[in-house]
Amino acid sequence: GAVVSQHPSRVICKSGTSVKIECRSLDFQATTMFWYRQFPKKSLMLMATSNEGSKATYEQGVEKDKFLINHASLTLSTLTVTSAHPEDSSFYICSARNRDRGSYEQYFGPGTRLTVT
Amino acid sequence: GQQVMQIPQYQHVQEGEDFTTYCNSSTTLSNIQWYKQRPGGHPVFLIQLVKSGEVKKQKRLTFQFGEAKKNSSLHITATQTTDVGTYFCASNPTGFQKLVFGTGTRLLVSP
Repeated sequence: GAVVSQHPSRVICKSGTSVKIECRSLDFQATTMFWYRQFPKKSLMLMATSNEGSKATYEQGVEKDKFLINHASLTLSTLTVTSAHPEDSSFYICSARNRDRGSYEQYFGPGTRLTVT
Repeated sequence: GQQVMQIPQYQHVQEGEDFTTYCNSSTTLSNIQWYKQRPGGHPVFLIQLVKSGEVKKQKRLTFQFGEAKKNSSLHITATQTTDVGTYFCASNPTGFQKLVFGTGTRLLVSP
């Protein structure tokens, strides 16, 4: 099956610091990955679409300078939360589509729980 | 932009009872996907419906896409405790790869 990993699974950082979250497709190539955030008992909110080799496409209201996305290879996308503040505390989940299968379904990573103190 | 609402927000049933969640959009949807997220877990793809009026079954789960392609439903027959989780519908806005998720329905099943 298609497996997506995320690292770290859980991170606690101090206000003002930056945190990098990695999303990897382990057994397939993903030209497109997606980054979501999810608040407790709420739905997934798409933050941005990450395209391999080009700039990410951000959703309205998402600050691109605060949430830096890099998709340098077909198996890795990173999300960096810069100058994190307590309100950035959330569950961040990535997903990927399998380029080779032309599949419409998205495979989700296990998520990263970020707590900013 | 595209918005997808789900009802109910939460349902608590006894094991063996049926359960249905409804997904509604004000605009026509190109497709509808359903995902299940267990507590503490990540969404897992269940199915995709594309055609108007389409019905698909997976064991105890029945998925339906409305004739006008503006609504969808997921029905679980004879729920089990393993069905616990949040069920999300989602759809691709026409021409986009991204998914817009519904508000979700949280299901709790008591033994």
